[in-house]
Amino acid sequence: NAGVTQTPKFQVLKTGQSMTLQCAQDMNHNSMYWYRQDPGMGLRLIYYSASEGTTDKGEVPNGYNVSRLNKREFSLRLESAAPSQTSVYFCASSVGRTANYGYTFGSGTRLTVV
Amino acid sequence: AQSVTQLGSHVSVSEGALVLLRCNYSSSVPPYLFWYVQYPNQGLQLLLKYTSAATLVKGINGFEAEFKKSETSFHLTKPSAHMSDAAEYFCAVSSLSGSARQLTFGSGTQLTVLP
Repeated sequence: NAGVTQTPKFQVLKTGQSMTLQCAQDMNHNSMYWYRQDPGMGLRLIYYSASEGTTDKGEVPNGYNVSRLNKREFSLRLESAAPSQTSVYFCASSVGRTANYGYTFGSGTRLTVV
Repeated sequence: AQSVTQLGSHVSVSEGALVLLRCNYSSSVPPYLFWYVQYPNQGLQLLLKYTSAATLVKGINGFEAEFKKSETSFHLTKPSAHMSDAAEYFCAVSSLSGSARQLTFGSGTQLTVLP
């Protein structure tokens, strides 16, 4: 099915370990985003890529890096995981540089840092 | 900066009763507003969106929302709740940040439907 695919779905890390969350979309969307979801806080933007070759910081970028590998793929890297990064991570994509069309979301990655 | 406030983190209704989930926005320009739904262990699904056309917006699953500029509100309603409506609902506003526009989300409202 067309959409946004995230891997892995679940992950447990030890403090200080690194990992990369993968995201791919097959809808030919230009813009891609990474959000984290924490109870009572809604979704907060970590990084986004308005178009291939560009990335920008969102509301909560500290401790993360991203790579827009090509138009389809947008990865999120945790270089040295901390317990505060325990969260559910969502990747999303949008048609254009504006968000007025809304987003298509992946099913999420549930990350626990111990 | 634009923002949204969702009143009530938890709402319970009986099956067949009216569903009303409240959202107020803050914006200095005409906003683009969205409602998303999240079922357990799933991603977010777009319910409906307001993009300055009709003020009453109809979405999927029988939901609708009315944009009221004078009240800066975009409340979500459904005339008759169904058990399958139990989920978390997020209101969002399109905002400008950096080189592009993004969606800024409210903190969410968990809807419980009682039999």
